[in-house]
Amino acid sequence: EVVLTQSPATLSLFPGERATLSCRASQSVTISVSWYQQKPGQVPSLLIYDASNRATGIPARFSGSGSGTDFTLTISSLEPDDSAVYYCQQHINRPVTFGGGTKVEIK
Amino acid sequence: EVQLLDSGGGFVQPGGSLRLSCAASGFLFTNYAMNWVRQTPGKGLECISSISSNGVTTYYADSVKGRFTISRDNSKNTLSLEMNSLRAEDTAVYYCAKGPFSDHLLSYFDHWGQGTLVTVSS
Repeated sequence: EVVLTQSPATLSLFPGERATLSCRASQSVTISVSWYQQKPGQVPSLLIYDASNRATGIPARFSGSGSGTDFTLTISSLEPDDSAVYYCQQHINRPVTFGGGTKVEIK
Repeated sequence: EVQLLDSGGGFVQPGGSLRLSCAASGFLFTNYAMNWVRQTPGKGLECISSISSNGVTTYYADSVKGRFTISRDNSKNTLSLEMNSLRAEDTAVYYCAKGPFSDHLLSYFDHWGQGTLVTVSS
């Protein structure tokens, strides 16, 4: 099973700052990584698929990068509404697995 | 607009059974693989079962294999999950989730239902 390790566990930043979230895979997953945002009390929603493609309707301030074992989700300029837990997921090996999440707090 | 409406959760004793349903609308249901993903505070997110667009190919996580059965009715745009021999560790919020492809079950999830809570306890 591919283990996805996300860091940091919590990120606390001011509005307008840049957030950099990391997801590291225990083995290569090529570019088969997606990112989800889960706001408090809400359902996970797809942000990024195949490492760097924004899902429909996702603002350009969200971007993804990486390949192999190291992936990054960047939020270029944080807004208060970005307060959420962000999860990465790999879908190249069975079972598909998720990371443990990074909680982004807006100061 | 894609909508997935999960239902059927509830409180059940260990060893009991439940049937979850997901009513889909806003897209051509018959063209897409569908999934059940569960979430717990302890184990996080786990995809437990998937089914291809025509219902022929299925996948089960080891944690539920032999106990859960996924099915779909393309004439009614409905996805189901029959859960038997429930255990305390099956306690979770269960989400119906749509895949982006018809037959490729290894994928991301582009739309999620609102979730239904299953609690297994004596």
